[in-house]
Amino acid sequence: DTAVSQTPKYLVTQMGNDKSIKCEQNLGHDTMYWYKQDSKKFLKIMFSYNNKELIINETVPNRFSPKSPDKAHLNLHINSLELGDSAVYFCASSQAHKSYEQYFGPGTRLTVT
Amino acid sequence: GQNIDQPTEMTATEGAIVQINCTYQTSGFNGLFWYQQHAGEAPTFLSYNVLDGLEEKGRFSSFLSRSKGYSYLLLKELQMKDSASYLCAVSPLGTPLVFGKGTRLSVIA
Repeated sequence: DTAVSQTPKYLVTQMGNDKSIKCEQNLGHDTMYWYKQDSKKFLKIMFSYNNKELIINETVPNRFSPKSPDKAHLNLHINSLELGDSAVYFCASSQAHKSYEQYFGPGTRLTVT
Repeated sequence: GQNIDQPTEMTATEGAIVQINCTYQTSGFNGLFWYQQHAGEAPTFLSYNVLDGLEEKGRFSSFLSRSKGYSYLLLKELQMKDSASYLCAVSPLGTPLVFGKGTRLSVIA
């Protein structure tokens, strides 16, 4: 069984479009995250979310918004896509008290043309 | 703010030992962690140090010196499958993990 899954695995779209990436975890974790990994392989936190608190990296544009329908899902919605948004986006999850041990999804490679 | 430094690339021979260093400056400290990421794959958790000293886990060991803001990951008996990026990450107080840019390790025959 896949612990953390993301869809789609690849996403190619044009500038200005709105898109969503879905993430689901079946580990029973209470905290989920979104990361962006750019072409230089730098992994940067975008959001951290549990049912009590959303922590946003202040450098993330407000075109990006996380949406959590329930504890097992944290989707990433992106408005007005830009060329610089092209990257691999990873979803991850952890127990709140073990935030260092995160389980990552397989990643979504987003290409904006 | 947070700053994490580690070498960009390293090369080592199969069967050898390699040490990957990481220095950090953070506002508050809740621990230091190492992740492994193979090309095209997701990062996977390797180790966690919150107190000074060496933590051993099979062929991998991780060391921490909080006073020096320094850690290293030691890989013994290198295998070809150890070729990957190794990400050092710290947990500042009250915020999620901050990752370094990673060290790409190439293991050669």
